[in-house]
Amino acid sequence: EVQLLESGGGLVQPGGSLRLSCEASGFTFSSYDMSWVRQAPGKGLEWVSGISGNGVRILYADSVKGRFTISRDNSKSTLYLQMNSLRAEDTAEYFCAKDYYDSSGYPTGAFDLWGQGTMVTVSA
Amino acid sequence: SYVLTQPPSVSVAPGQTARITCGGNNIGTKSVHWYQQKPGQAPVLVVYHDSDRPSGIPERFSGSNSGNTATLTISRVEAGDEADYYCQVWDGSSDLRVFGGGTKLTVL
Repeated sequence: EVQLLESGGGLVQPGGSLRLSCEASGFTFSSYDMSWVRQAPGKGLEWVSGISGNGVRILYADSVKGRFTISRDNSKSTLYLQMNSLRAEDTAEYFCAKDYYDSSGYPTGAFDLWGQGTMVTVSA
Repeated sequence: SYVLTQPPSVSVAPGQTARITCGGNNIGTKSVHWYQQKPGQAPVLVVYHDSDRPSGIPERFSGSNSGNTATLTISRVEAGDEADYYCQVWDGSSDLRVFGGGTKLTVL
């Protein structure tokens, strides 16, 4: 079965750190760019960070640049998000998402597979 | 950074047609994608590349994109279509992904 399974969320104090994981199965993980997308309670979707299939190209939203680090271990089919210096405004459900490639094998910029999410709460 | 603007809410009666807009500067030059998200669930891609549908998405879902506005059209709306809908683009100038603020579709 093709799926993404996030883990690692929880309650953390402001200024603290947390590492999220996203385990992929059912597809060739190393062939796809991956992203983290978050959703604050009752709010919309916010793209957080993305990484190419080989881990070379990495991008961050301005809101997390310098605090969050995305990485991947293709041997374990796992995506990571290391979150440091956490703030109350980082409180959100964090989803990992797989890039959608069209029938010609080109990235579309869309996400066709999402995990179920893992909740991060930053509070004293 | 690139900004996408969606109406907060759209209401439609069952069987009618719902149109959800997504505004952005020259968005017609970009490829727009649409997601459906029901409460407590992850988003689902319903339209990509402005108007293409992933496998398994009903033909009732269609899209268009021109000028400064992209539109998701849902024909013959059903109660099960009630959800939040988000537009998204890949901003080529920054290489970042951008989401619109989302539109809550209510089926009356």
